[in-house]
Amino acid sequence: KQEVTQIPAALSVPEGENLVLNCSFTDSAIYNLQWFRQDPGKGLTSLLLIQSSQREQTSGRLNASLDKSSGRSTLYIAASQPGDSATYLCAVGFGNEKLTFGTGTRLTIIP
Amino acid sequence: ETGVTQSPTHLIKTRGQQVTLRCSSQSGHNTVSWYQQALGQGPQFIFQYYREEENGRGNFPPRFSGLQFPNYSSELNVNALELDDSALYLCASSPGVRTGSYEQYFGPGTRLTVT
Repeated sequence: KQEVTQIPAALSVPEGENLVLNCSFTDSAIYNLQWFRQDPGKGLTSLLLIQSSQREQTSGRLNASLDKSSGRSTLYIAASQPGDSATYLCAVGFGNEKLTFGTGTRLTIIP
Repeated sequence: ETGVTQSPTHLIKTRGQQVTLRCSSQSGHNTVSWYQQALGQGPQFIFQYYREEENGRGNFPPRFSGLQFPNYSSELNVNALELDDSALYLCASSPGVRTGSYEQYFGPGTRLTVT
């Protein structure tokens, strides 16, 4: 059974700092990994999708890496801003099937 | 291109009642998945529909059922509501085989409260 863990559960950093969010998974036979952002009480916004054959993806100030063999992914946020405050979720997928989610990291950027 | 939409936004029901939640897929997407997200938790997979057929189910009882229509919109039905069914219900669509990426796009969710 695939298990996804995100550490830390909560993180507070001053505005302008770079930060890294971690995601680990137990079954390395994944097809892809997605990082999502969720604002309180809202749906999920897809940030980055990494296919299993890729090592990283970048979008603006965000960079996600994937190491399948070790079962780890990181989401790097550069020059953090108060608008980055949200819960960040990672999810692993096995092709045209369900996503298995972690419990998320609640990020607070302090102005 | 219209994104994934869900209705209603919020819903309050009484224990034992039945509820139907609706989802419209993003244009061109033939796969729809439903997830339940309890407060403070990650979303949990309920089931998925591909071309109107159930294509996988999570660890949810039979009182959770679904439908997908020819236009790829979908419904989630929950019978005999229990207090623990209170959660945010998320619908996600995917282009699936058409693109090969299987990236999932989520709607804004329906907040269900059971009293």
